[in-house]
Amino acid sequence: LAKTTQPISMDSYEGQEVNITCSHNNIATNDYITWYQQFPSQGPRFIIQGYKTKVTNEVASLFIPADRKSSTLSLPRVSLSDTAVYYCLVGGGSNYKLTFGKGTLLTVNP
Amino acid sequence: DVKVTQSSRYLVKRTGEKVFLECVQDMDHENMFWYRQDPGLGLRLIYFSYDVKMKEKGDIPEGYSVSREKKERFSLILESASTNQTSMYLCASSLYSNQPQHFGDGTRLSIL
Repeated sequence: LAKTTQPISMDSYEGQEVNITCSHNNIATNDYITWYQQFPSQGPRFIIQGYKTKVTNEVASLFIPADRKSSTLSLPRVSLSDTAVYYCLVGGGSNYKLTFGKGTLLTVNP
Repeated sequence: DVKVTQSSRYLVKRTGEKVFLECVQDMDHENMFWYRQDPGLGLRLIYFSYDVKMKEKGDIPEGYSVSREKKERFSLILESASTNQTSMYLCASSLYSNQPQHFGDGTRLSIL
């Protein structure tokens, strides 16, 4: 199973762009990369998913290099409400077992 | 909109009790999952189900069992609760294995 590694915590300021990188060296051919956001006392919320290259939606971008052994979640112009734990998830495809990283606590300061 | 509902937000039980945690999804999803979340350990998969009456062990199935008699409902069972099962339990569902999972808001279970 693909194991993921993320920074435990990151600090930023309002208005900055934040990039969170996740390592997944043994990602399988069929695995997708998915990022979730979690606030205290709530379940994780889906942010973005990708397989390769770059994916962008209304809240974030996901960059995946050609070897797919890492991925970077990019949050443009963060605000205080983006303070949360962000999880990198690798799996899916034909394998139902999914692996969550331990999460990155992003703190956005005024 | 997608909805995953867990029967209780908070639950307190005693050691040795049989505990049922219920989860219902209204999206006709094929897959359902149970996770537990502990400080410093992130989310860990307990069991998942890819079809009615089908189940697969996750990473930490010991001390737990599951039941999926209907597509929309997935139950987590603690046969004989122990204090080390005090945790936040999260249920999720997805349409297919490569689709994003949708989570409930969790059940905070305390075993005394």
